[in-house]
Parts: sequence; C-alpha cells; structure tokens
Amino acid sequence: QQQVKQSPQSLIVQKGGISIINCAYENTAFDYFPWYQQFPGKGPALLIAIRPDVSEKKEGRFTISFNKSAKQFSLHIMDSQPGDSATYFCAASNTGGGADGLTFGKGTHLIIQP
Amino acid sequence: GAGVSQSPRYKVAKRGQDVALRCDPISGHVSLFWYQQALGQGPEFLTYFQNEAQLDKSGLPSDRFFAERPEGSVSTLKIQRTQQEDSAVYLCASSFAGQGGQPQHFGDGTRLSIL
Repeated sequence: QQQVKQSPQSLIVQKGGISIINCAYENTAFDYFPWYQQFPGKGPALLIAIRPDVSEKKEGRFTISFNKSAKQFSLHIMDSQPGDSATYFCAASNTGGGADGLTFGKGTHLIIQP
Repeated sequence: GAGVSQSPRYKVAKRGQDVALRCDPISGHVSLFWYQQALGQGPEFLTYFQNEAQLDKSGLPSDRFFAERPEGSVSTLKIQRTQQEDSAVYLCASSFAGQGGQPQHFGDGTRLSIL
C-alpha cells in the first residue's frame, strides 16, 4: 500500500514558468510534510516543510499548499530556473508515533528548459 | 564539512558476502535514520535511533539487516549474506532533537552493488 502518492512522474517546464508537483496521502496520523530536492549522486536536501495547522507556507520561490480535508499537498516553484532541474520528493511522517521515519513519494523528475 | 558523512561511497560485493556501511551524523544530532533508495524510487525507511537506542526497526527487510549505534554517534548498517535485491543506495540522515518534525539532514549515501 503506497501511503504517499506523487504526481507527475516527470515534468518539463520552461524557464520562468511555474512548476507544480502534487502529493496525496492516506494515513490521517501524518502531521509533518516536507519536500526534498535530490541531484544525481547526492542525498536529498530539505527544501521546505509544513504542518497541517496552516494551509500554505512560502519560502522564497518555493510554496507548499496543504489541503487537510482532501489529504493533499503540493509544491509550487515560481520563476523556475535551469538550476532547479532535479528530482523532487514529497514525504510525510507521524511525529507523535514514537518514531519519525519519513514515508516518501516516488519522486518527480523536473526539467527546466532554458 | 559539517554534514552527514557516509562511507564508503561505493561498495561492490559478491552475493553471499557480508557488508558494513558507516554513517557519521552531524555532531550533536540525537536522531539517526537509515533509508534504502532503489534506482528511480524514493527512499524507504529502514530504522531509527535516538542516541544509542534503536526505537524503530520496522523497515528492515529481513533479519540479514542489522544496525547499531553503540555510543550514540556513529552508526553502522550491516547486511549479511547479501542478495542481488540488496543493490541500492543506502542513505543515512540525522536530526538535532529527539522529538518529531525536526529537519532530517541526509548524507550522499553508499551505492551498494551485489554481483
């Protein structure tokens, strides 16, 4: 059972455009939702994270939108740049569960065309 | 640097051999996690330590996988009698505090290939 479903699998966006990646989760106990960026040969790097008590969080060009009732959250990358080309993962965890292991989506391969 | 360090970066082993992968977390970080990332997939949780205590090992795929963190800092993931399906990148992450929701900082992983 895939607990975090991510779409699309791949995405091509023109430079300066908005990149949008979506995730849906099933476990209502999840209460922490980070997004990670990964370049080839490197480990995932935290971009931005949100908790369900807010519907939106913005940090620079990155925005998370969160819909608790729909159990969905999305990442928006504004003014997308070629340097943003990478694989992006959404994740979720139940921080009150005594452990904090992240459940990841399968990833979105983003290409920003110059 | 001050990041999470993993060694070796690459490991090739023959099927049936034992391997040991090392993780040096960020100094002072209480929590340490191991993940397995298959090619083209997202990382999958293996196990979690808070200091030297292994609080969750629910993700370990079989009893051939064993992890330890005896002094609450460096951790080792050991795989016995390796199989081809063990080929993956093994990622280690650490976070500052024991309570949940703290940012996890990842190392660059060990790429394990089983021949």
